Amino acid sequence: QQQVKQSPQSLIVQKGGISIINCAYENTAFDYFPWYQQFPGKGPALLIAIRPDVSEKKEGRFTISFNKSAKQFSLHIMDSQPGDSATYFCAASRDQGAQKLVFGQGTRLTINP
Amino acid sequence: GAVVSQHPSRVICKSGTSVKIECRSLDFQATTMFWYRQFPKQSLMLMATSNEGSKATYEQGVEKDKFLINHASLTLSTLTVTSAHPEDSSFYICSAPTSGGTGEQFFGPGTRLTVL
Repeated sequence: QQQVKQSPQSLIVQKGGISIINCAYENTAFDYFPWYQQFPGKGPALLIAIRPDVSEKKEGRFTISFNKSAKQFSLHIMDSQPGDSATYFCAASRDQGAQKLVFGQGTRLTINP
Repeated sequence: GAVVSQHPSRVICKSGTSVKIECRSLDFQATTMFWYRQFPKQSLMLMATSNEGSKATYEQGVEKDKFLINHASLTLSTLTVTSAHPEDSSFYICSAPTSGGTGEQFFGPGTRLTVL
Protein backbone atom coordinates (compact mmCIF):
# COMPACT_ATOMS: atom_id res chain seq x y z
CA GLN A 1 0.00 0.00 0.00
CA GLN A 2 2.99 2.23 0.35
CA GLN A 3 4.05 1.84 -3.26
CA VAL A 4 3.96 4.42 -5.98
CA LYS A 5 4.17 2.90 -9.45
CA GLN A 6 5.67 5.01 -12.21
CA SER A 7 5.73 4.50 -15.96
CA PRO A 8 7.32 4.46 -18.42
CA GLN A 9 10.81 3.54 -17.25
CA SER A 10 12.31 5.48 -20.14
CA LEU A 11 10.95 7.93 -22.66
CA ILE A 12 12.30 9.53 -25.80
CA VAL A 13 10.58 12.63 -27.14
CA GLN A 14 11.42 14.95 -29.99
CA LYS A 15 12.20 18.56 -29.24
CA GLY A 16 9.00 20.56 -29.04
CA GLY A 17 6.88 17.53 -28.24
CA ILE A 18 4.90 16.67 -25.12
CA SER A 19 6.43 14.37 -22.52
CA ILE A 20 3.98 12.44 -20.35
CA ILE A 21 4.89 10.42 -17.28
CA ASN A 22 2.33 8.55 -15.20
CA CYS A 23 2.12 7.46 -11.59
CA ALA A 24 -0.37 5.44 -9.57
CA TYR A 25 -0.68 5.04 -5.83
CA GLU A 26 -2.70 2.89 -3.46
CA ASN A 27 -2.64 4.60 -0.09
CA THR A 28 -5.58 6.99 0.11
CA ALA A 29 -3.94 8.70 3.09
CA PHE A 30 -1.43 10.33 0.74
CA ASP A 31 -2.25 14.02 0.38
CA TYR A 32 0.81 15.51 -1.27
CA PHE A 33 2.15 14.53 -4.68
CA PRO A 34 5.39 16.16 -5.87
CA TRP A 35 7.47 15.62 -8.96
CA TYR A 36 11.24 15.82 -8.82
CA GLN A 37 13.82 16.27 -11.56
CA GLN A 38 17.26 14.78 -11.12
CA PHE A 39 20.35 15.28 -13.24
CA PRO A 40 23.24 12.78 -13.03
CA GLY A 41 25.28 13.21 -9.88
CA LYS A 42 22.89 15.75 -8.38
CA GLY A 43 20.18 15.67 -5.77
CA PRO A 44 16.52 15.75 -6.84
CA ALA A 45 15.01 19.18 -7.37
CA LEU A 46 11.34 19.88 -6.74
CA LEU A 47 9.56 20.69 -10.01
CA ILE A 48 5.91 20.96 -9.13
CA ALA A 49 3.55 19.47 -6.57
CA ILE A 50 -0.19 19.01 -6.16
CA ARG A 51 -2.64 18.28 -3.39
CA PRO A 52 -5.80 16.18 -3.91
CA ASP A 53 -8.21 19.10 -3.66
CA VAL A 54 -7.40 20.16 -7.24
CA SER A 55 -7.35 18.16 -10.47
CA GLU A 56 -4.68 20.11 -12.30
CA LYS A 57 -1.79 22.43 -11.58
CA LYS A 58 0.29 24.24 -14.13
CA GLU A 59 3.62 25.99 -13.72
CA GLY A 60 5.16 27.19 -16.95
CA ARG A 61 5.66 24.21 -19.26
CA PHE A 62 4.98 21.70 -16.49
CA THR A 63 1.47 20.45 -15.63
CA ILE A 64 0.30 17.89 -13.10
CA SER A 65 -2.99 16.16 -13.78
CA PHE A 66 -4.53 14.44 -10.77
CA ASN A 67 -7.33 11.85 -10.74
CA LYS A 68 -8.31 11.15 -7.17
CA SER A 69 -10.87 8.44 -7.93
CA ALA A 70 -8.39 6.52 -10.07
CA LYS A 71 -5.53 7.24 -7.68
CA GLN A 72 -3.36 8.38 -10.54
CA PHE A 73 -1.41 11.49 -11.38
CA SER A 74 0.74 12.47 -14.29
CA LEU A 75 3.34 15.01 -15.35
CA HIS A 76 3.08 16.73 -18.71
CA ILE A 77 6.03 18.66 -20.08
CA MET A 78 4.95 20.88 -22.95
CA ASP A 79 7.36 22.03 -25.67
CA SER A 80 10.00 19.62 -24.38
CA GLN A 81 13.58 20.86 -24.71
CA PRO A 82 16.94 19.04 -24.70
CA GLY A 83 17.66 20.65 -21.33
CA ASP A 84 14.69 18.73 -19.92
CA SER A 85 16.61 15.48 -20.44
CA ALA A 86 16.87 14.06 -16.92
CA THR A 87 15.36 11.47 -14.63
CA TYR A 88 11.96 12.33 -13.22
CA PHE A 89 10.51 10.90 -10.03
CA CYS A 90 6.98 11.12 -8.78
CA ALA A 91 6.41 10.80 -5.06
CA ALA A 92 3.66 10.81 -2.47
CA SER A 93 3.50 11.75 1.16
CA ARG A 94 1.11 12.19 4.06
CA ASP A 95 0.47 15.22 6.23
CA GLN A 96 0.99 17.61 3.34
CA GLY A 97 4.56 16.59 2.76
CA ALA A 98 5.79 16.64 6.33
CA GLN A 99 6.01 12.87 6.37
CA LYS A 100 8.44 10.70 4.45
CA LEU A 101 8.18 10.62 0.68
CA VAL A 102 7.45 7.39 -1.16
CA PHE A 103 9.10 7.55 -4.57
CA GLY A 104 8.18 6.02 -7.88
CA GLN A 105 10.77 4.05 -9.81
CA GLY A 106 11.82 6.98 -11.98
CA THR A 107 11.60 7.80 -15.69
CA ARG A 108 14.66 8.58 -17.74
CA LEU A 109 13.58 11.23 -20.22
CA THR A 110 15.59 12.00 -23.34
CA ILE A 111 14.66 14.91 -25.57
CA ASN A 112 16.13 14.57 -29.04
CA PRO A 113 17.12 17.84 -30.73
CA GLY B 1 13.35 27.65 -2.61
CA ALA B 2 14.98 26.53 0.61
CA VAL B 3 18.58 25.35 0.50
CA VAL B 4 19.95 22.11 1.87
CA SER B 5 23.68 21.45 1.73
CA GLN B 6 25.70 18.29 2.16
CA HIS B 7 29.33 17.74 2.95
CA PRO B 8 31.39 16.18 1.58
CA SER B 9 30.14 15.91 -1.98
CA ARG B 10 32.40 12.97 -2.66
CA VAL B 11 34.40 10.66 -0.42
CA ILE B 12 36.59 7.65 -1.07
CA CYS B 13 37.60 5.49 1.86
CA LYS B 14 39.14 2.15 2.63
CA SER B 15 37.06 -0.81 3.71
CA GLY B 16 36.57 -0.90 7.46
CA THR B 17 36.76 2.83 8.05
CA SER B 18 33.91 5.11 9.12
CA VAL B 19 32.62 8.05 7.12
CA LYS B 20 30.55 10.98 8.35
CA ILE B 21 28.22 12.90 6.05
CA GLU B 22 26.71 16.23 7.10
CA CYS B 23 23.35 17.62 6.03
CA ARG B 24 22.52 21.24 6.77
CA SER B 25 19.43 23.34 6.19
CA LEU B 26 20.90 26.73 5.36
CA ASP B 27 17.97 29.10 5.54
CA PHE B 28 15.35 27.29 7.57
CA GLN B 29 15.06 25.11 10.63
CA ALA B 30 14.31 21.45 10.22
CA THR B 31 13.15 19.37 13.16
CA THR B 32 13.02 16.42 10.78
CA MET B 33 15.41 15.37 8.06
CA PHE B 34 15.39 12.29 5.88
CA TRP B 35 18.29 10.20 4.64
CA TYR B 36 18.09 8.32 1.35
CA ARG B 37 20.39 6.01 -0.53
CA GLN B 38 20.38 5.77 -4.30
CA PHE B 39 22.14 3.10 -6.33
CA PRO B 40 22.95 3.77 -10.01
CA LYS B 41 19.90 4.04 -12.22
CA GLN B 42 17.59 3.31 -9.32
CA SER B 43 15.10 5.27 -7.28
CA LEU B 44 15.72 6.84 -3.91
CA MET B 45 15.37 4.46 -1.00
CA LEU B 46 14.54 5.98 2.37
CA MET B 47 16.96 4.82 5.04
CA ALA B 48 15.87 6.73 8.09
CA THR B 49 14.11 9.73 9.53
CA SER B 50 16.29 12.00 11.62
CA ASN B 51 14.53 13.78 14.48
CA GLU B 52 16.05 16.72 16.32
CA GLY B 53 16.52 15.88 19.97
CA SER B 54 15.43 12.27 19.73
CA LYS B 55 16.43 8.97 18.20
CA ALA B 56 16.25 8.40 14.48
CA THR B 57 13.63 6.12 13.02
CA TYR B 58 15.03 3.51 10.65
CA GLU B 59 13.28 1.83 7.76
CA GLN B 60 12.94 -1.92 7.74
CA GLY B 61 16.16 -3.64 6.74
CA VAL B 62 18.43 -0.70 7.53
CA GLU B 63 21.00 -1.49 10.24
CA LYS B 64 20.86 1.26 12.83
CA ASP B 65 24.23 0.29 14.28
CA LYS B 66 25.86 0.61 10.88
CA PHE B 67 24.23 3.85 9.82
CA LEU B 68 24.42 6.16 12.82
CA ILE B 69 22.29 9.28 12.66
CA ASN B 70 22.60 12.29 14.91
CA HIS B 71 20.35 15.34 14.64
CA ALA B 72 22.32 17.69 16.84
CA SER B 73 20.55 20.93 16.04
CA LEU B 74 17.64 22.35 14.07
CA THR B 75 19.90 22.82 11.06
CA LEU B 76 22.25 19.85 11.15
CA SER B 77 21.90 16.09 10.80
CA THR B 78 24.80 13.70 10.34
CA LEU B 79 24.94 10.20 8.92
CA THR B 80 27.92 8.06 9.88
CA VAL B 81 28.57 4.91 7.90
CA THR B 82 30.50 2.72 10.31
CA SER B 83 32.94 0.03 9.20
CA ALA B 84 32.15 0.76 5.58
CA HIS B 85 32.39 -2.01 3.00
CA PRO B 86 32.32 -1.89 -0.81
CA GLU B 87 28.62 -2.74 -0.85
CA ASP B 88 27.97 0.52 1.03
CA SER B 89 29.23 2.46 -1.97
CA SER B 90 26.29 4.56 -3.08
CA PHE B 91 24.88 8.05 -3.47
CA TYR B 92 23.57 9.32 -0.13
CA ILE B 93 21.06 12.17 -0.17
CA CYS B 94 19.34 14.04 2.63
CA SER B 95 16.17 16.07 2.53
CA ALA B 96 14.31 18.38 4.84
CA PRO B 97 10.69 19.54 4.78
CA THR B 98 10.06 23.21 5.33
CA SER B 99 7.77 24.23 8.12
CA GLY B 100 4.77 26.48 7.83
CA GLY B 101 2.43 24.06 6.11
CA THR B 102 3.82 24.20 2.57
CA GLY B 103 4.99 20.62 2.83
CA GLU B 104 7.81 21.03 0.37
CA GLN B 105 10.84 18.83 0.86
CA PHE B 106 14.15 20.08 -0.37
CA PHE B 107 17.02 17.80 -1.14
CA GLY B 108 20.72 18.20 -0.67
CA PRO B 109 23.13 17.76 -3.60
CA GLY B 110 24.09 14.28 -2.44
CA THR B 111 27.31 12.59 -1.32
CA ARG B 112 28.99 10.00 -3.48
CA LEU B 113 30.60 7.36 -1.24
CA THR B 114 33.08 4.94 -2.72
CA VAL B 115 34.49 2.23 -0.46
CA LEU B 116 37.59 0.52 -1.78
